Amino acid sequence: EEQLLESGGGLVQPGGSLRLSCAASGFTFSTHGMNWLRQAPGKGLEWVSGISDDSSRIYYADSVKGRFTISRDNSKNTLYLQMNSLRVEDTAMYYCARGRSYYFASWGQGTLVTISS
Amino acid sequence: EIVLTQSPGTLSLSPGERATLSCRASQSVSSKYLHWYQQKPGQAPRLLIYDASSRATGIPDRFSGSGSGTDFTLTISRLEPEDFALYYCHQYLSSPPGHTFGQGTKLEIK
Repeated sequence: EEQLLESGGGLVQPGGSLRLSCAASGFTFSTHGMNWLRQAPGKGLEWVSGISDDSSRIYYADSVKGRFTISRDNSKNTLYLQMNSLRVEDTAMYYCARGRSYYFASWGQGTLVTISS
Repeated sequence: EIVLTQSPGTLSLSPGERATLSCRASQSVSSKYLHWYQQKPGQAPRLLIYDASSRATGIPDRFSGSGSGTDFTLTISRLEPEDFALYYCHQYLSSPPGHTFGQGTKLEIK
């Protein structure tokens, strides 16, 4: 069974850093693009970043460009999101999602990131 | 930037009724770039419809998608109790590459 398990969320002060991980299982991780999306409390969905299967193509939303870095380790079946210079408005549930064609075929359960002083 | 607008914001219906959810784009969108997700409270979103009209694996055939250009529709033919949830449309943007979502439609029990 396909599974995506996020971890690394928590409470951080503004200006701080956090690294999220997403452990994948049940599918061939190295052949799929992967994405991070987020959802602020009570709000809608926002795509954050995407990375191709071989890491050759990486994209970011304007809201996180220059502050967040997506990466992956295909030997460990794991996706990462390094988040620096965090802001209050980055507070959200962060989901990893497997990409297929132009949509998000499966999602993890999310990890909560709270930015507050 | 192409903006997706979903309507209505909230739809109140009873089990057994037909639900029609709309997603309108500010510019024409290729059908292969338009998708629908369902989200229940406390859960992650789940893919329902991809490429505007193809049902994802395991999705019941009471769910259908249609539309083209700027107007897309998600129809639930006969509502089951478990269908009351939030629904989002999603588009892929090719230049620059990215993704955006509609603001969502809440389907609630009347």
